[in-house]
Amino acid sequence: EVQLVESGGGWVQSGGSLRLSCTASGFPFSGFSMNWVRQAPGKGLEWISYISSSGSSMYNAKSLMGRIIISRDNANVYLQMNSLRVDDTAVYYCARQRIGEYYGMDVWGQGTTVIVSS
Amino acid sequence: SYVLSQPPSVSVAPGETAKFTCGGNNIGTKSVHWYQQKPGRAPVLVNYYNSERPAGIPERFSGSNSGSTATLTISRVEAGDEADYYCQVWDRSSGHPSWVFGGGTKLTV
Repeated sequence: EVQLVESGGGWVQSGGSLRLSCTASGFPFSGFSMNWVRQAPGKGLEWISYISSSGSSMYNAKSLMGRIIISRDNANVYLQMNSLRVDDTAVYYCARQRIGEYYGMDVWGQGTTVIVSS
Repeated sequence: SYVLSQPPSVSVAPGETAKFTCGGNNIGTKSVHWYQQKPGRAPVLVNYYNSERPAGIPERFSGSNSGSTATLTISRVEAGDEADYYCQVWDRSSGHPSWVFGGGTKLTV
């Protein structure tokens, strides 16, 4: 079964750090780009980070530049988040993307919740 | 940065046709993807590359894209289609490549 499972969310104080993980199974992970997308309570979807299939290209949302780092290994994609703020509170999803901009994100994890308190 | 505009809500009766618009500058030159999200669930890709359907998505879901507006159409709407719908494009026009989502449209059936 094709699956993505996020972990690492939780409660953290403002200014703290978290590392989210997303474990892939059921498909050739190295053949897909990966993304992180978040959703604040009651709000819409917000893309935050992309990493290419090889890991050689990475892009982050401008609003989070300098505070997040995406990385990947053989079966996982990670999101290191630093200097967390209250408005980073959200459900964080990882999502698979076929190579190229023509395919969208066809597999999503169930999400992991991050709560940042002041 | 690139902006996608979606109306906040659409309401239709069961069996009718629902249309979701997604406006953007020259969006017709981009590849538009659409997602369905039900409460408490992860998004599901229901249309990609403007008009393609992923496996398992009913033919009732169709897409088009031209000029400054992309459209997702759901024919013969069912109660189970009630959800939020988001459009998405890849934008590299600003020199900072990024995925962009519209604000989403809530479908009430």
